[in-house]
Amino acid sequence: AQSVAQPEDQVNVAEGNPLTVKCTYSVSGNPYLFWYVQYPNRGLQFLLKYITGDNLVKGSYGFEAEFNKSQTSFHLKKPSALVSDSALYFCAVRDQGSARQLTFGSGTQLTVLP
Amino acid sequence: NAGVTQTPKFQVLKTGQSMTLQCAQDMNHEYMSWYRQDPGMGLRLIHYSVGAGITDQGEVPNGYNVSRSTTEDFPLRLLSAAPSQTSVYFCASSEQQGLAYQETQYFGPGTRLLVL
Repeated sequence: AQSVAQPEDQVNVAEGNPLTVKCTYSVSGNPYLFWYVQYPNRGLQFLLKYITGDNLVKGSYGFEAEFNKSQTSFHLKKPSALVSDSALYFCAVRDQGSARQLTFGSGTQLTVLP
Repeated sequence: NAGVTQTPKFQVLKTGQSMTLQCAQDMNHEYMSWYRQDPGMGLRLIHYSVGAGITDQGEVPNGYNVSRSTTEDFPLRLLSAAPSQTSVYFCASSEQQGLAYQETQYFGPGTRLLVL
């Protein structure tokens, strides 16, 4: 079975400060990992994904995520937050070896304060 | 490209009524799926399809039916609406399942459903 956890429902950060949105996962084999963002009253938009290779993945809008196999984590980061980054962020995982479908986390609401 | 489109944007139903949520994509994607989004629960997969004529159940399929007669369309049918089906429904598509580089999913804008 595969699962993903986003331990923080809400993250607040000041504009210009670095931000981190946490994600941990559980799979039997190797994971495919994704981050999606949802702005109010919109569908989800793809940010970045990890398949294999370099543990640091760079994505859209200056976001990046670091895959840590020993800690089974895939935290989303950005060096300098913008007010426009305020949105709902979802982590998702799929087991490369067995599972056919993505499992999404419960989401983290990021608020960047001006 | 219009991407993934969904209609209606908002719907109110009475308990026991039936309806169909429409989803269409113009990207020639083989894989399509339906999710429901509820507060604090993320997205849960209802049904999915890996190509025309092929559908399968996801995590929460009860009370919903799907069909895939064409590559473009993937309607979701509520057979007899219940208040527990009040949710926001998203349709998504991707090029192919099985290879992650093709699994980036494109989401529609959603349908907000209220069942009274």
